[in-house]
Amino acid sequence: GAVVSQHPSRVICKSGTSVKIECRSLDFQATTMFWYRQFPKQSLMLMATSNEGSKATYEQGVEKDKFLINHASLTLSTLTVTSAHPEDSSFYICSARDYRGPTDTQYFGPGTRLTVL
Amino acid sequence: GENVEQHPSTLSVQEGDSAVIKCTYSDSASNYFPWYKQELGKRPQLIIDIRSNVGEKKDQRIAVTLNKTAKHFSLHITETQPEDSAVYFCAASIAGGGNKLTFGTGTQLKVEL
Repeated sequence: GAVVSQHPSRVICKSGTSVKIECRSLDFQATTMFWYRQFPKQSLMLMATSNEGSKATYEQGVEKDKFLINHASLTLSTLTVTSAHPEDSSFYICSARDYRGPTDTQYFGPGTRLTVL
Repeated sequence: GENVEQHPSTLSVQEGDSAVIKCTYSDSASNYFPWYKQELGKRPQLIIDIRSNVGEKKDQRIAVTLNKTAKHFSLHITETQPEDSAVYFCAASIAGGGNKLTFGTGTQLKVEL
C-alpha cells in the first residue's frame, strides 16, 4: 500500500524560530501533496496544496509567507513555519495522492506535533 | 466552496451494536467521498470510500451509502468492537478541482464493553 512519512514527529521550539517539516511518499511518486493543520479535538483544515515543480496553492486565510512550501521532487514536500509563535502550535499532517490507484485516494503521513514555547 | 456537515459529534454504543454516522455536503459537483478513522495522536486512515457512480459500498463490517439527490452519505459499522473506538471523519472532493478534501467535523465513537 501507499506509505507517507513525515519528519520530525514532534518538535518543540522557541517563539520566533523557524521549523521545517518534511513529507515523503516512500513507495510512489506524488505530484500533488496536501498540508493540513489539526487543532485538538478538531477536524483537519487544509492549508495548502503542494505541486511538484510549481508554486503551492494556499487556502484562504493561510499566510503563504509564514507557511513556506517547497515541493522540489516527486517524493518530497516541505513545510516551513517561519517565525513561529505559540498560536502556531498544532498537529501538522501531510497527505499525498497515489496515482497508481484511483486518483482521488489520499494517504496521510503520521503527523508532526509542533509546540511553540 | 464545499461545506461538509457531520453528525453526531459523539456516539456511544454497546459492543456488538451498529453505529451510523451521517454527513451532508453542499456542492453537487462533489463526486468522491472517503471516510477516515483517526486514533488519538495518529494519522487519519482511509477505511472506505465511495464515488458518485455507485450508491452503496461494503467492506466486511463497514458500509457506506450515498444519496446524491439529497447530498448526503453515511457510514455504517456493524458488530462494533472496542477497537472501533476512534474519531471518524467524512470528507468530500471534486474530481478536477485539485482533489482537495473538505472534511466533516468528526465523530468520536466509543464502543463500550
